[in-house]
Amino acid sequence: AQSVTQLDSQVPVFEEAPVELRCNYSSSVSVYLFWYVQYPNQGLQLLLKYLSGSTLVKGINGFEAEFNKSQTSFHLRKPSVHISDTAEYFCAVSGPAGGSYIPTFGRGTSLIVHP
Amino acid sequence: GAGVSQSPSNKVTEKGKDVELRCDPISGHTALYWYRQSLGQGLEFLIYFQGNSAPDKSGLPSDRFSAERTGGSVSTLTIQRTQQEDSAVYLCASTPPDGRYGYTFGSGTRLTVV
Repeated sequence: AQSVTQLDSQVPVFEEAPVELRCNYSSSVSVYLFWYVQYPNQGLQLLLKYLSGSTLVKGINGFEAEFNKSQTSFHLRKPSVHISDTAEYFCAVSGPAGGSYIPTFGRGTSLIVHP
Repeated sequence: GAGVSQSPSNKVTEKGKDVELRCDPISGHTALYWYRQSLGQGLEFLIYFQGNSAPDKSGLPSDRFSAERTGGSVSTLTIQRTQQEDSAVYLCASTPPDGRYGYTFGSGTRLTVV
């Protein structure tokens, strides 16, 4: 079984400040890891993914995430946020469980960027 | 099409009525997923289709929920005898077989049961 824990339900931050959104996962097999962003009244958009190789993954909109196997974490970071980054962020894990790749999502972290 | 298309975008229905939600995945994507997103909650897995294999229905919350996928393409999620607790956004996603490319989501159907 696999699971995802997003440690913060809400993260308020001022514009141009750095931000980290935390994600921990558990899985008995090797995994793929994803971060998605959801703007109001929209579907989910892929920010970045980790499949294998380099543990530092860069995505769209200046976001990056680091895979840490020993700590089973995949935290999302951005050095300087904008108002437009205000959205819901979801961490997800998937792996070849029984031949299928059904992703499990965390409960989401609401990033609120204040001017 | 270029993306995953879901219809309708909004649906208001009376308690006890049946509803059908449609998902048109990206052409060539063999895997299709339905999720439910309730207010303030994460994404709850409902059902998964992969090619011609039997679907994984392990996430369906009750026997009022069912889904089918015709010709390996369009999928319909049916909720019978809707209840107020069924109110949520229903999201569909598709992907090539092994998921490493990420999951492309539609914009969802917002279902409100009154």
